[in-house]
Amino acid sequence: KNEVEQSPQNLTAQEGEFITINCSYSVGISALHWLQQHPGGGIVSLFMLSSGKKKHGRLIATINIQEKHSSLHITASHPRDSAVYICAVRYSGGGADGLTFGKGTHLIIQP
Amino acid sequence: NAGVTQTPEFQVLKTGQSMTLQCAQDMNHEYMSWYRQDPGMGLRLIHYSVGAGITDQGEVPNGYNVSRSTTEDFPLRLLSAAPSQTSVYFCASSSIFGGNQPQHFGDGTRLSIL
Repeated sequence: KNEVEQSPQNLTAQEGEFITINCSYSVGISALHWLQQHPGGGIVSLFMLSSGKKKHGRLIATINIQEKHSSLHITASHPRDSAVYICAVRYSGGGADGLTFGKGTHLIIQP
Repeated sequence: NAGVTQTPEFQVLKTGQSMTLQCAQDMNHEYMSWYRQDPGMGLRLIHYSVGAGITDQGEVPNGYNVSRSTTEDFPLRLLSAAPSQTSVYFCASSSIFGGNQPQHFGDGTRLSIL
């Protein structure tokens, strides 16, 4: 089964720090998703990308198709950014759903 | 705009009981799916539907049943609850299937089986 690997598994940082969360996958994909899950809460889609870079506010997502790697960056981190960040990919040639999920990165931003 | 609505939010069952987790979306999405989330694991697909009247199994379908009589609703039924089904369940929808469109998730149903 094709895997999605995220690193780090856990990350604690101070408010204001620049945060990077990594996602790697094993074979070709048609789309990669970054999702956010707050404690006890639902899951929100942050980005869907298939190439290049996307930016929304303080969040930036990049993908390198050749290296099979994506990063999620948070600039000027804030305690409200504390959440689990999940990477999911749509493998090329996958089934009707086709999304394979990573285990998530648990981020804590301390004031 | 409600998006994807799941009910109940929490539920405790005894082994052997049956129940239905409700999921409704108001975005006219064709594609809906159910996932379970367990500690230390990524979300895993239980069942999915590509439109009204069409359903199929995902990665972990055993012990669950679904139907899709309308575009809006996609209930998940536990036939005879087992402790291994203790999990957080998420319903999701998107405009088309295949994972090439943004996914919209409900807030989840936290289910405990005693």
